[in-house]
Amino acid sequence: DGGITQSPKYLFRKEGQNVTLSCEQNLNHDAMYWYRQDPGQGLRLIYYSQIVNDFQKGDIAEGYSVSREKKESFPLTVTSAQKNPTAFYLCASTTGAYSGNTIYFGEGSWLTVV
Amino acid sequence: AQSVAQPEDQVNVAEGNPLTVKCTYSVSGNPYLFWYVQYPNRGLQFLLKYITGDNLVKGSYGFEAEFNKSQTSFHLKKPSALVSDSALYFCAVRDEGSYIPTFGRGTSLIVHP
Repeated sequence: DGGITQSPKYLFRKEGQNVTLSCEQNLNHDAMYWYRQDPGQGLRLIYYSQIVNDFQKGDIAEGYSVSREKKESFPLTVTSAQKNPTAFYLCASTTGAYSGNTIYFGEGSWLTVV
Repeated sequence: AQSVAQPEDQVNVAEGNPLTVKCTYSVSGNPYLFWYVQYPNRGLQFLLKYITGDNLVKGSYGFEAEFNKSQTSFHLKKPSALVSDSALYFCAVRDEGSYIPTFGRGTSLIVHP
């Protein structure tokens, strides 16, 4: 089935540790996004990528990094510089640049600092 | 600049009654409007969208939304609510030419048996 796969579903990070969240899509979508969701705050954009080997910072990029080496993959690294990383992380994708294109989401990943 | 507002944090409705979840928006050009639903511990699921044409848009699971340009609103509706409709609902907007959608803060819908 086509879709967006995020892994792992649950991840625990120790203080000072970098962790990477995986996002893979087999929808042949050009654009991919990472969002952070905190209770009562809706979705906040971390990074987005319109094409391979190109990405832009979103509203809350500090403490995060991404890469886009393949069209189908857009991993997110939460670095030790991110002081409050505990949240639900959502990956999304869409095809083309048309504003009416639907953005589809993965099932999300929970990151908890221990 | 684009923005979207969901004025209600929570909406309560009895099963079988009609439901409305409100959304208002602001854009510079033509709006592209979306509704999503999120169940606990899950990603967002697309329900419906307005691009152009008929102001009444029909979507998944019996939901529909009415686009009102003069009131800059895009309210989500369903004629008869189900307990299983209880979830978090997000409205989103993309301005014409914008690559990035703006999401509302979400409205928690609770349908009581």
